[in-house]
Amino acid sequence: ETGVTQSPTHLIKTRGQQVTLRCSSQSGHNTVSWYQQALGQGPQFIFQYYREEENGRGNFPPRFSGLQFPNYSSELNVNALELDDSALYLCASSFARVNTEAFFGQGTRLTVV
Amino acid sequence: GQQLNQSPQSMFIQEGEDVSMNCTSSSIFNTWLWYKQEPGEGPVLLIALYKAGELTSNGRLTAQFGITRKDSFLNISASIPSDVGIYFCAGTPGGTSYGKLTFGQGTILTVHP
Repeated sequence: ETGVTQSPTHLIKTRGQQVTLRCSSQSGHNTVSWYQQALGQGPQFIFQYYREEENGRGNFPPRFSGLQFPNYSSELNVNALELDDSALYLCASSFARVNTEAFFGQGTRLTVV
Repeated sequence: GQQLNQSPQSMFIQEGEDVSMNCTSSSIFNTWLWYKQEPGEGPVLLIALYKAGELTSNGRLTAQFGITRKDSFLNISASIPSDVGIYFCAGTPGGTSYGKLTFGQGTILTVHP
């Protein structure tokens, strides 16, 4: 059984640029959620994808968007990057839409300069 | 929005001591999860709780789902140096918000040998 994997592990972008982060869900899981974790804080829910459709969204602007593919892998896209977008972005996979027992990847550390 | 208040913010203990931390919510939750996060890694699920009053153990870790459904507790017995890390509580209220995990601010645990 493979766990949740994210790529890349680290990324540096310039303010105003766009970024795409990728996540492969754990084998057998059909739901992917994305979280933003600022330094010294708990993760904040961005959105969730279930069967390729957005299934719930947190308090994040529309420039945060996502996709889920038929193999349940997912992408997080952020447009018009701002300095405050610098954070650890975490992907979590689970089975079905009830987000119990969500398993996290190691995260992507995004730095916006 | 919903907030989880986790306490204490940090703990410095001697190896062998027991540890207690708790989490309170401003609203009712129907699932409580406890995670541990180490530097450069994503959160790792320790214990999941689904019913009010439930007491669940995982080795030296014991967690309880509060009777009011607005709180949860995590105890670590006979701490060891590898217990060092940040412990997060997380929960979901269910209903239309079942897809979203709300996290506490974390408890930083330091264990002195």
